[in-house]
Amino acid sequence: DAGVTQSPTHLIKTRGQQVTLRCSPISGHKSVSWYQQVLGQGPQFIFQYYEKEERGRGNFPDRFSARQFPNYSSELNVNALLLGDSALYLCASSLGLESGNTIYFGEGSWLTVV
Amino acid sequence: DQQVKQNSPSLSVQEGRISILNCDYTNSMFDYFLWYKKYPAEGPTFLISISSIKDKNEDGRFTVFLNKSAKHLSLHIVPSQPGDSAVYFCAASPTTSGTYKYIFGTGTRLKVLA
Repeated sequence: DAGVTQSPTHLIKTRGQQVTLRCSPISGHKSVSWYQQVLGQGPQFIFQYYEKEERGRGNFPDRFSARQFPNYSSELNVNALLLGDSALYLCASSLGLESGNTIYFGEGSWLTVV
Repeated sequence: DQQVKQNSPSLSVQEGRISILNCDYTNSMFDYFLWYKKYPAEGPTFLISISSIKDKNEDGRFTVFLNKSAKHLSLHIVPSQPGDSAVYFCAASPTTSGTYKYIFGTGTRLKVLA
């Protein structure tokens, strides 16, 4: 069975540009979450989506947005990129919203902003 | 305010011995806890979970202990193997109706010496 797949794996963008990251969850999983991990830190929650609706948002500016599609895949968009947005962006999927759901991560998308 | 803390940035253990990784949390609403292992250039891999209704969960070489009164959990790896060398993250989920987000610690780098 395929795990969580993310694309692209690496990308370099210039300050001020926009980026779109993509994620396909594990088959049968209906919830997708996005996390940002900067060097030396743990993953930090950005968004959670379930059945195409935003169900949770972390402490990130409005430059960050996301959406979930009918097939449960998801995109994370970041506008007006800053140098500080350079990080590993992780997508995680889970079955649903019940408390106690384990989340499974993809390999991540490495974003470098120059 | 770091709600999940891993106070030991690194740990070295001899092969075959026990590795004990610790994690403290401050939010009494956390009711589900996860441990992940992360190799460089890969996404975090789920290891083991524990619910607040339990104080121990075991899976093969991995055992997680939860002390709710102390707001402390630990991951025991017995016996440790060189392939266990990685960064370990603990994560906690608060009880929130209809959504959840995991708060991660900053990680502990485990090195198992052959």
